[in-house]
Amino acid sequence: EADIYQTPRYLVIGTGKKITLECSQTMGHDKMYWYQQDPGMELHLIHYSYGVNSTEKGDLSSESTVSRIRTEHFPLTLESARPSHTSQYLCASSALYEQYFGPGTRLTVT
Amino acid sequence: DQQVKQNSPSLSVQEGRISILNCDYTNSMFDYFLWYKKYPAEGPTFLISISSIKDKNEDGRFTVFLNKSAKHLSLHIVPSQPGDSAVYFCAASSSGGAGSYQLTFGKGTKLSVIP
Repeated sequence: EADIYQTPRYLVIGTGKKITLECSQTMGHDKMYWYQQDPGMELHLIHYSYGVNSTEKGDLSSESTVSRIRTEHFPLTLESARPSHTSQYLCASSALYEQYFGPGTRLTVT
Repeated sequence: DQQVKQNSPSLSVQEGRISILNCDYTNSMFDYFLWYKKYPAEGPTFLISISSIKDKNEDGRFTVFLNKSAKHLSLHIVPSQPGDSAVYFCAASSSGGAGSYQLTFGKGTKLSVIP
C-alpha cells in the first residue's frame, strides 16, 4: 500500500494569494513529482526531484516553485495565485518506474 | 505533439465481458510502459506495467500486451466488473538520459462497465 499524502484536498482561494500545497511520503522514495491535470487531459509534469536539494522543472511551464529539504517532503508553492492556476495538482513518488500518487489537491482560484 | 495516444476517450462494456483499452506511442526510446486507473477526485492508482523485453504481463484479471514493432500496447480486463469503471491512463518511460523514470501520459480512456 502506497503511503503518500497531500493537503489540502480542496482549496478555493482568491487571486493574488500565496499558497503552499503539501506532499509527504513515508516510503523512503528518492524520486518525487508534481503533476497538473485538467479534466479529460493527460497528466503534465511540472516539477520533479531525484533527491534532497535537487529539483528540476518538468515539461509543462509552471509559475510554481518546489523545495526538497527532506526526503519525505516535497511542497509546491504558488507566490501569487491566478485563475489560470485552477486545476488538480497531483504529487507522486517512486523508487524506479512505478510512481505512486497521492489523492491530489483540487485548486480553484477565484 | 503527443507521444502517448489513447484514441478512444470512452468505452462501454457489459459486466463479465472483456474490456480492451488501447494505447499507441511514437517515441522509440520508450522502453517501459504502465497502466493507471483513476477515480474522480482521487489520484491515479498503479495497475500493471511491462518492460520492452516482454510482450505480455499478467496480474489477475489484468493483462498488458506490448507490440513494439507497431508501437502499440493494450490492457485487457477479464472479466470486467462494475468497480472497474474509471479512467485508465497509459504511461511510458525511457531508461536512459536525463528523462529517466519520468512518465509521459496519454489523455485517458473512460471505461464504463454496465451491470
